This record gives sequence, structure tokens and C-alpha cells, in this order.
Amino acid sequence: AQSVTQLGSHVSVSEGALVLLRCNYSSSVPPYLFWYVQYPNQGLQLLLKYTTGATLVKGINGFEAEFKKSETSFHLTKPSAHMSDAAEYFCAVSEGTGNQFYFGTGTSLTVIP
Amino acid sequence: NAGVTQTPKFQVLKTGQSMTLQCAQDMNHNSMYWYRQDPGMGLRLIYYSASEGTTDKGEVPNGYNVSRLNKREFSLRLESAAPSQTSVYFCASSEAQDLSGNTIYFGEGSWLTVV
Repeated sequence: AQSVTQLGSHVSVSEGALVLLRCNYSSSVPPYLFWYVQYPNQGLQLLLKYTTGATLVKGINGFEAEFKKSETSFHLTKPSAHMSDAAEYFCAVSEGTGNQFYFGTGTSLTVIP
Repeated sequence: NAGVTQTPKFQVLKTGQSMTLQCAQDMNHNSMYWYRQDPGMGLRLIYYSASEGTTDKGEVPNGYNVSRLNKREFSLRLESAAPSQTSVYFCASSEAQDLSGNTIYFGEGSWLTVV
């Protein structure tokens, strides 16, 4: 069975600082990896995903994530935080077979002016 | 472009009452899902429908039933609501039965309170 661990349920950064949200997964097969963002009182929106190919994936709003197989990680980064980045972020993984889509417990990002 | 639409957005129920959450998608997706979101627990899968005519239990199916009415619509029913079912419910859909990296698209959520 898959599992997804997001280290840090709350992360605070200053505006303009680096954003780093951590995600580790367990999988017995090559996974498909996703980051979603949820703004208050809204549904989840896809930020980026890794399926195959280049391990550094670029998404919307300046976010990117790198798939590191040896570390079973898919950390999300953004060089310079903006106030509008304040939201809940979810890492998710699927194995590509069946229909199970596993989510982490989420990381709430606060951006301090 | 509506995407995934779910209703109602807010609902307050008394313990023991029943209700149905409605969900429709206009992306011609084969697979649909119902999740619940609780603080500190992320999203947990209640039921899913890989394709029209099929439904399967997810991680937390107890107390719920679903109906895949047609390719577009997937409803979630609480037969006898309990306070433990107070949560935010999300309907979602994806293109293919085998996810294979297909993106899952979410509705905007339904806030349900059971008193």
C-alpha cells in the first residue's frame, strides 16, 4: 500500500523567501506524483505532476518539484514566496493501476509580510 | 467551463437524518470519486466509480452509499447521519480508469455539519 508523508503541518516563510514543502512517499512501483493547492473554502487545484521523464517538474505560479527516487521524495519549492501563496498544499501519489489516489495530510503555508 | 460541480455547498443535518450530495462533471471523465477532508487527516477516499456502472469502496465507506447515475453524475448518500460525518466532502473525477498519471479534478466542496 502507498503512503504519503508531508513533514510539517504548518510552515511559515517571509515574503520573498524560499518556500520548501516536503513530501516523502512509499511505493513498491514507480509512482505518479502530484502537488495540489487548496485556497480557503475552495477545492483542490493541480500545481504540478510527475509521471515520467525529467525529474524536475515545473508547475503553475512559479512552483517546481523534483522527484528523487533514491530518497523517495517529491519536495515542492518556490524561490520567492508571495502573499498569494498562502494556502494548504497536498502531496499525492498514485501507482497508475487501480484507482487509488493517496494524499498526504497537507501543509498549511503562511506567508509573513 | 464548469468542471466538477457539487451541491449543496453547505448543509446542516440533525443526527439520524438522511441526505444526498450531488456531483456532476462535464469533462467526459470515466472515473469519479468522493473524498472527505478532516483537519489533520488530509483527504480520505469514501467511494469511487472507475467507470459508469461500477462502484467500489475506498478507505472510509461506512455510513455512506453511492450511485453512479450515468457517466456525468455520481451521488453520495448518508442514510442516517452521525456527528462523526461532519466534514467537508469533495467530489472528483479523472479521465481514465487506470490513473496512469491522469490528473484528478476536484469540485469546490460541500460543508456538512451533523448536530
